[in-house]
Amino acid sequence: AQTVTQSQPEMSVQEAETVTLSCTYDTSESDYYLFWYKQPPSRQMILVIRQEAYKQQNATENRFSVNFQKAAKSFSLKISDSQLGDAAMYFCAYRSVTSGTYKYIFGTGTRLKVLA
Amino acid sequence: DGGITQSPKYLFRKEGQNVTLSCEQNLNHDAMYWYRQDPGQGLRLIYYSQIVNDFQKGDIAEGYSVSREKKESFPLTVTSAQKNPTAFYLCASRHRDRARNTEAFFGQGTRLTVV
Repeated sequence: AQTVTQSQPEMSVQEAETVTLSCTYDTSESDYYLFWYKQPPSRQMILVIRQEAYKQQNATENRFSVNFQKAAKSFSLKISDSQLGDAAMYFCAYRSVTSGTYKYIFGTGTRLKVLA
Repeated sequence: DGGITQSPKYLFRKEGQNVTLSCEQNLNHDAMYWYRQDPGQGLRLIYYSQIVNDFQKGDIAEGYSVSREKKESFPLTVTSAQKNPTAFYLCASRHRDRARNTEAFFGQGTRLTVV
């Protein structure tokens, strides 16, 4: 069974600085998707970025980028030029492609605090 | 606007009662999911459905039931057999077609409290 681990329950970053959130996963599959979701205080889950496992190029979305290390099963999220609005819970998620179930498996989350 | 609507936003239930959480989507998505969120435990999958009239148990299905009679709707019933139902419940949906490469879209959640 696949698992997703986020070992940092809480992180802090100074406004305008850069922070990296860690995520590791375990799977025997070769084809899958990885996601980072943001959950602000409103509790609405918002997609931040996605990565397809068969693509070696790291995904980027404006100030958000990932470091995808497939062999190491690592998928970290880097937030550059942090803003107060980035404060939220961040969840790493895995979704199988080959198993046919298309379940999303989430980590336990990292709470990001942005300091003014 | 297309989206996923969960209702109600807050729900209170007496012990021993069944309660149904609503989830409706107008995104024409095939697959729908129910997750439970507890502090420190992330999101755990309760049930999911990939097509109408079909659904599968997730990791924590005990004490819950679902139905999928319409593509747009995937209601979750929390039964009296669920021993610790107080939690935040999230519904999500996505296209099944891999070529669309879509992520899961989430509703705004329902906070269930047993009193």
